[in-house]
Amino acid sequence: DAGVIQSPRHEVTEMGQEVTLRCKPISGHNSLFWYRQTMMRGLELLIYFNNNVPIDDSGMPEDRFSAKMPNASFSTLKIQPSEPRDSAVYFCASSFVPPPWSTQYFGPGTRLLVL
Amino acid sequence: GENVEQHPSTLSVQEGDSAVIKCTYSDSASNYFPWYKQELGKRPQLIIDIRSNVGEKKDQRIAVTLNKTAKHFSLHITETQPEDSAVYFCAASFSSGNEKLTFGTGTRLTIIP
Repeated sequence: DAGVIQSPRHEVTEMGQEVTLRCKPISGHNSLFWYRQTMMRGLELLIYFNNNVPIDDSGMPEDRFSAKMPNASFSTLKIQPSEPRDSAVYFCASSFVPPPWSTQYFGPGTRLLVL
Repeated sequence: GENVEQHPSTLSVQEGDSAVIKCTYSDSASNYFPWYKQELGKRPQLIIDIRSNVGEKKDQRIAVTLNKTAKHFSLHITETQPEDSAVYFCAASFSSGNEKLTFGTGTRLTIIP
């Protein structure tokens, strides 16, 4: 299994530009999570989906952030317009529910720098 | 919501000694407690987890203990090696079909050769 796949691995953009991050979960997994990691705030859950449906988006910082999961094998996280404070590593993770207590497997992350 | 506190934030130990990292959680309904290891520039990876119906779990040099009454759990690494140097995160969740994990702030462990 290839594991969770994320693209791009690195993204450098200018303030105000739209940024789209992509994630392919592990085949057969039905839960998908988007996290943001910074030195200041650690690992934060932004949003998670179960069976392609958004379950909890309380971690999405503001309306500039949006996420979609059109099918079981693909999800996007979009930032429009981007700001320098969005610079972070964005991780996607997936798991299979049920049974409960399922392990979350992380992708390699996308390192985003907004200038 | 759940709140997880993790201590210490940094820890240095001599190679061969033991390391202990502690976490406390706020939601008494939490019943799943994984530990992740993150090496520099890499993704977090699960190293061990414990369910609320178990008090201790061991996997070679790594062990986790859980005290539900006190709402805290700990990671123990024995006979530390240089490759144990990394950031370690604890997490907690209440699994009822809701897989949301709340992470601690991380502990940077450095093994001194």
